[in-house]
Amino acid sequence: LAKTTQPISMDSYEGQEVNITCSHNNIATNDYITWYQQFPSQGPRFIIQGYKTKVTNEVASLFIPADRKSSTLSLPRVSLSDTAVYYCLVGARDDKIIFGKGTRLHILP
Amino acid sequence: DGGITQSPKYLFRKEGQNVTLSCEQNLNHDAMYWYRQDPGQGLRLIYYSQIVNDFQKGDIAEGYSVSREKKESFPLTVTSAQKNPTAFYLCASSIDRGSSGNTIYFGEGSWLTVV
Repeated sequence: LAKTTQPISMDSYEGQEVNITCSHNNIATNDYITWYQQFPSQGPRFIIQGYKTKVTNEVASLFIPADRKSSTLSLPRVSLSDTAVYYCLVGARDDKIIFGKGTRLHILP
Repeated sequence: DGGITQSPKYLFRKEGQNVTLSCEQNLNHDAMYWYRQDPGQGLRLIYYSQIVNDFQKGDIAEGYSVSREKKESFPLTVTSAQKNPTAFYLCASSIDRGSSGNTIYFGEGSWLTVV
């Protein structure tokens, strides 16, 4: 199971673009990279998933370099409501899906 | 609406009591999971099940038990053997076994407090 490393916390301001990078040096060939968002006292929810290059949806973009050893979640023009914990998941082994500690993003007015 | 329903949202347990947290899904997913989250911490896997009548221990299964008698239901019992059960419990499901590309769907969680 690919180990992931994310910053513990980040601060930004409303209207800014926020980039959160996740390192996963031992990612396997068939591993996807998935990001989840969690608000306090709620279950995490899916944001975006990718395998290589760039993926974009209505809420975020995911950038994956050619070596796939890292990925960057990009949140455009954040607002106060984007304050949450963001988890990067890579792969699954023996049917387990393991979450890391995530990145606490705090958006300031 | 399709989704995962956890109940109760808040539960209080006395020392020495067993309590059961309910988790029901109508997504027709084969795989279901239970996670524990302590304040300010990440999610830790308690148990998971890939198919009816089968389940596997996760990383912190001691003091917990589960059953999977129906595809849509995966209740978690917190037994008196769990010495520090106060936490936020999350149930989740995915379409099938935990392969890399599967999306996981979570319930809204249940808060358990020991009094």
